[in-house]
Amino acid sequence: EIVLRQSPATLSLSPGERATLSCRASPSISSYLAWYQQKPGQAPRLLIYDASNRATGIPARFSGSGSGTDFTLTISSLEPEDFAVYYCQHRSNWPLAFGGGTKVEIK
Amino acid sequence: EVQLLESGGGLVQPGGSLRLSCAASGFAFNSYAMTWVRQAPGKGLEWVSGISISGDRTYYADSVKGRFNISRDNDKNTLFLQMNSLRAEDTAVYYCAKTWVSLWYFDLWGRGTLVTVSS
Repeated sequence: EIVLRQSPATLSLSPGERATLSCRASPSISSYLAWYQQKPGQAPRLLIYDASNRATGIPARFSGSGSGTDFTLTISSLEPEDFAVYYCQHRSNWPLAFGGGTKVEIK
Repeated sequence: EVQLLESGGGLVQPGGSLRLSCAASGFAFNSYAMTWVRQAPGKGLEWVSGISISGDRTYYADSVKGRFNISRDNDKNTLFLQMNSLRAEDTAVYYCAKTWVSLWYFDLWGRGTLVTVSS
């Protein structure tokens, strides 16, 4: 069973700053990782699939990188609407799993 | 409109059963694998179960294996989750979601239905 660990749990930043979120997999999952954004009271939204591909309609300020066990979601310049919780999810094998989430909050 | 609409949630006693439904519209339901994901109050996302396009392959999280059963009716564009032997820790909002092309990522989600297991 694959375990995904996200860090930090909370990231306090100001609009315009760069956000760097981490997701570590154990064991390796190749590039089979997605990132989602969830705002309060809403369902999750797919941002990135297979580690580095932006989903349809996702702004270019969101980028993903990594492979194997270490993955990163970068938001190049935070917009007010980007303050939310972010989850990673693998599709490497069964069972699928999500990481515990990183909350990006306004400093 | 492309959407998923869950129903069937509610309050149930420990040990009881509940059947969730997810009605799909606006897309070719019979062309996509589907999944259930849950979120306990104030907690993160937990993948629960998935089903292939035809329904011949099903997958479960260890936490629900043997208690939950996923199924689908492609003629009625509906996904189901039969939940038996419910426990307090099954309390959550249950989302149904559609897979992204042929990959097990999820690009369309419902608004969720709340299941509360309590005496």
